[in-house]
Amino acid sequence: GENVEQHPSTLSVQEGDSAVIKCTYSDSASNYFPWYKQELGKRPQLIIDIRSNVGEKKDQRIAVTLNKTAKHFSLHITETQPEDSAVYFCAASMGTGGFKTIFGAGTRLFVKA
Amino acid sequence: EAQVTQNPRYLITVTGKKLTVTCSQNMNHEYMSWYRQDPGLGLRQIYYSMNVEVTDKGDVPEGYKVSRKEKRNFPLILESPSPNQTSLYFCASSPTVEAEAFFGQGTRLTVV
Repeated sequence: GENVEQHPSTLSVQEGDSAVIKCTYSDSASNYFPWYKQELGKRPQLIIDIRSNVGEKKDQRIAVTLNKTAKHFSLHITETQPEDSAVYFCAASMGTGGFKTIFGAGTRLFVKA
Repeated sequence: EAQVTQNPRYLITVTGKKLTVTCSQNMNHEYMSWYRQDPGLGLRQIYYSMNVEVTDKGDVPEGYKVSRKEKRNFPLILESPSPNQTSLYFCASSPTVEAEAFFGQGTRLTVV
């Protein structure tokens, strides 16, 4: 069935460094790729998303890249800050033939001050 | 205020006792989902609904039921809960499947 693999499961960086989280999806019909941030005890919230007709999108310190041929997409956080510490989830959704949303297992990011 | 509201927030129940977790959204969204979150497994979709009276199974539907009689409400029903359904549950809504999902506060369910 459809699957989204996310790596790494845990990532520790020094404040000010960059963090990269990678996801791979299996269903080529997927067209929408959101990233959610979940702080401890809170609900997931969207931080950035990208659609299949776009290769890269940036919003201040956060960027997402998509390689549809390789079925890879990545989250890049630059100049990390302690408040970036959280669990990050990637997901893949398809608007035809299934209408499901599949999430990755999550990456716990620690930003050390 | 635009929001997704789940109730209850916390629930402890016994094996076999039917329960319902309610979910309501006030954004007129067509697409609604239920997820369970377990350590190391991320968010797994239980059921989703494309619109009123249109529901379908996600990846882990066994032991759950849903209904969508009105656009705003999407209750999750556990007819005979078992301990392996102990989890954190989230309801979410979005305009379509390919759009930002807004999550409820979560329901932490323990089945003993």
